[in-house]
Amino acid sequence: DSGVTQTPKHLITATGQRVTLRCSPRSGDLSVYWYQQSLDQGLQFLIQYYNGEERAKGNILERFSAQQFPDLHSELNLSSLELGDSALYFCASSMGINSNQPQHFGDGTRLSIL
Amino acid sequence: GESVGLHLPTLSVQEGDNSIINCAYSNSASDYFIWYKQESGKGPQFIIDIRSNMDKRQGQRVTVLLNKTVKHLSLQIAATQPGDSAVYFCAETSNSGYSTLTFGKGTMLLVSP
Repeated sequence: DSGVTQTPKHLITATGQRVTLRCSPRSGDLSVYWYQQSLDQGLQFLIQYYNGEERAKGNILERFSAQQFPDLHSELNLSSLELGDSALYFCASSMGINSNQPQHFGDGTRLSIL
Repeated sequence: GESVGLHLPTLSVQEGDNSIINCAYSNSASDYFIWYKQESGKGPQFIIDIRSNMDKRQGQRVTVLLNKTVKHLSLQIAATQPGDSAVYFCAETSNSGYSTLTFGKGTMLLVSP
């Protein structure tokens, strides 16, 4: 058990809809990272938050947004969903601000767009 | 960062053998490397990491070797067990600016009893 909790485990929705994925980091970790994992793209970094502030951005679409709350949990919002958004979405957390330290992953949310 | 790749998409071994999973990286500025194991239906699990000031680091049944000259990383698993069957990812980053972790495509390790 990594200590990172993601909900829900599975999400099935339709094109055009909006969903929110939730992540609770390990106790004591201030950084939260979001990744997308699809069969053809592997693990792709989306965005990082550190102590409530956006720290780094990867290949995150404009339809996607995230935030980190004062209690350090984070939410990833996906809107105007398309079939190609079907993927596994992982959250990871680490103690510090830099990426050169182990990130600990949750078990992901599987998003299926019908 | 630049992409990190793997030489072998699938590695099949017998239980008890030693396994070696290889990874090539192209970003010469990378100074931190990490290996993850991902089992079906689960998130990536941290195995071991190494910084560029080291050539070798050992954990429990695992060893990571770093060859900066040829930009090559390997994960050695001793006495491989069926429970080691999973996809293994290498990832790299650098300690500069807003560098982020870049993952390779992954190697599937299959261990036969």
